[in-house]
Amino acid sequence: SQQGEEDPQALSIQEGENATMNCSYKTSINNLQWYRQNSGRGLVHLILIRSNEREKHSGRLRVTLDTSKKSSSLLITASRAADTASYFCATDRPGGTSYGKLTFGQGTILTVHP
Amino acid sequence: DAGVIQSPRHEVTEMGQEVTLRCKPISGHDYLFWYRQTMMRGLELLIYFNNNVPIDDSGMPEDRFSAKMPNASFSTLKIQPSEPRDSAVYFCASSPQRYTGELFFGEGSRLTVL
Repeated sequence: SQQGEEDPQALSIQEGENATMNCSYKTSINNLQWYRQNSGRGLVHLILIRSNEREKHSGRLRVTLDTSKKSSSLLITASRAADTASYFCATDRPGGTSYGKLTFGQGTILTVHP
Repeated sequence: DAGVIQSPRHEVTEMGQEVTLRCKPISGHDYLFWYRQTMMRGLELLIYFNNNVPIDDSGMPEDRFSAKMPNASFSTLKIQPSEPRDSAVYFCASSPQRYTGELFFGEGSRLTVL
C-alpha cells in the first residue's frame, strides 16, 4: 500500500518563485526523507527529518513535519531551471527489521521555466 | 568515490529470456537494496541485504526473480524467464552500516522485455 503520497502531482513555476510540495503518509514513522530524481537518472537524497523534529533547513530547502497530521512539506526557495526534476518523499517505520525499508510516494514533477 | 555502479544501463530482451542486472555498492556500505520503478506502481523495494545476507525479500514479485550478493562489492538481480510486465527501471542503492537514513542510488538499469 502507498505510504507516502505527494501533492501536487505536477507543479510548473517560473524561475525565482518558490515551490512547495506536500507529502502525506498513513502510519507512524521513524523519519521522513526527500529525494530528487532528474529525468533518466537515479534518486539523490536531499534531506532527512526525524519524527521528533518539526522543521529542517538545508540551503534553499526547507522541510516541515507534522506527525499529528501525518504530513510533510518541502519548500524550495528562489527556484532555478536546474531544480526541474521529480521529487519524492520516503518514509520508514520504527523497528529494527524495518531498517532502510523506505516506502516512496509517487512523486511531484516540478518544472521551473527560465 | 565512484558511487553505486549498475550495469547494464539499458537492456532490451525478448520474453522468456534470462536477464541479469548487476550492482556494485559503495565501498564500506553494508546495506544493499534493489528497487523497481514503473509509472503504474512507482518505486517498490524488492529485496535488501545486510552484510551480504538477504534480510527481507518480501517485495520480490514471484519465483522468477532472484537476487544474490556473493561478496560485499557485488550483487545480481536475475529474472528467469522474463515477461513484458517486468519492463521497468531497476535501481540498486546502498547505505552504510551506521544508520544515516540516506540511501545512495545507482543510475538504474532500464529493462525492456518485448
